[in-house]
Amino acid sequence: KNEVEQSPQNLTAQEGEFITINCSYSVGISALHWLQQHPGGGIVSLFMLSSGKKKHGRLIATINIQEKHSSLHITASHPRDSAVYICAVRSPETSGSRLTFGEGTQLTVNP
Amino acid sequence: ETGVTQSPTHLIKTRGQQVTLRCSSQSGHNTVSWYQQALGQGPQFIFQYYREEENGRGNFPPRFSGLQFPNYSSELNVNALELDDSALYLCASSLWTSSYEQYFGPGTRLTVT
Repeated sequence: KNEVEQSPQNLTAQEGEFITINCSYSVGISALHWLQQHPGGGIVSLFMLSSGKKKHGRLIATINIQEKHSSLHITASHPRDSAVYICAVRSPETSGSRLTFGEGTQLTVNP
Repeated sequence: ETGVTQSPTHLIKTRGQQVTLRCSSQSGHNTVSWYQQALGQGPQFIFQYYREEENGRGNFPPRFSGLQFPNYSSELNVNALELDDSALYLCASSLWTSSYEQYFGPGTRLTVT
């Protein structure tokens, strides 16, 4: 079993829909990252959080430390949101900035 | 402030050959991490470098090695290439603290034939 599990693996939505991607982890963490990867391969950091909730534009990320669960929400989805969304965690037991990644969720938003 | 850059963008090698991939850190960052991402998978941690020394390694064999230079740029070397080494190789730079963001480069796509 992977230390970081994401669901769903694939998600197709219509433009304007509210989207939720889930991430569960089995280890203690010091931080959780949500990342976006476009087909070219480059990864962009969306959020880094260790508690509560963060919002940036149409994106909202929440984390429940007790339940070891995080969600990424996209409101009013748009075709340009189509990408792979990856959850990654940093363990306090490992040094530096090492991340453990989930498998990613492929999101496709149709016009 | 320049971002993280990687070179080359794409590379094709033959099984058994050796390859060197390069990464230039974001200005001011002293830690570089390298990740391997196979097609359809999440990235896997290879190792990280802090102040020119390897500090943390994932489940990769010794034929994966690296260097970090005084200007914090870094190299990933892979010897005796195998077909399964075909992947996107990502580097990420950061500061040596768990509370800091990582900034990723665009990746190098390696194909081993």
